[in-house]
Amino acid sequence: AQSVTQLGSHVSVSEGALVLLRCNYSSSVPPYLFWYVQYPNQGLQLLLKYTSAATLVKGINGFEAEFKKSETSFHLTKPSAHMSDAAEYFCAVSHGSGNTGKLIFGQGTTLQVKP
Amino acid sequence: IAGITQAPTSQILAAGRRMTLRCTQDMRHNAMYWYRQDLGLGLRLIHYSNTAGTTGKGEVPDGYSVSRANTDDFPLTLASAVPSQTSVYFCASSRQSVTGELFFGEGSRLTVL
Repeated sequence: AQSVTQLGSHVSVSEGALVLLRCNYSSSVPPYLFWYVQYPNQGLQLLLKYTSAATLVKGINGFEAEFKKSETSFHLTKPSAHMSDAAEYFCAVSHGSGNTGKLIFGQGTTLQVKP
Repeated sequence: IAGITQAPTSQILAAGRRMTLRCTQDMRHNAMYWYRQDLGLGLRLIHYSNTAGTTGKGEVPDGYSVSRANTDDFPLTLASAVPSQTSVYFCASSRQSVTGELFFGEGSRLTVL
C-alpha cells in the first residue's frame, strides 16, 4: 500500500530564508509524486509533480523538489521565502498508471513566514 | 472562468438529515473525485468517477454515495448525516491521463450537529 508522511505539521521561517518541507513516501511501484498548496479558504492547487522524468522538478512560485529513490523522499524547497508563501502544503503519491486522481495525501504542513 | 463549482459553500445540518453536496465542472474532464479534509489527516478520497456512468469507492466511502449521470456533474449525498461527517469537502477533476493533475473546487464546509 502506498503512503505519504510529511515531517512537521508546522514550519516557521523568516522572510528570505530557505524553505524546506519534508515528504517521505512508500510505494511498491514507481510512484508519481505531487506537491499541492492550499491558501486559506481555497481549494488545493498543483505546485509541481514528479512523473519519472528528471529527478529535480521545478514548479510554480520558485519552488522545486527532488525525487530521491534511495531515501524515498520528495522534499520541497524554495531558496528564499516570501510572505505570500504562507499556506498549507500537501505531498501526495499515486500509482503512476491509470487514474492518477486517486492520490494519497500526507497530513499537510503549515508554512508560516515571519517578517 | 473555467473550473469547478461547489455548492453550498457552508452548511449546518442536524444529525440524521439527508444532504447533497453539488459539484459541477466545465472543463470536460473525464474523471471526478470527492475528498474530505480533516485537521491532521490531510485529504482522504471518498468516491471517484473515471467517466460518466461509472463510480468507485475511495478510502472512506461509508455513509456517502455518488452518481455520475453526465460528464459535468458529480453530486455527493449523505443519506443520514452523523457528527463524524463534519468536515470540509472538496470536489476535484482531472483529465484521464497518466500524468494528470487535479483541479479542485473551493470546498464545502459541513457541520453536523
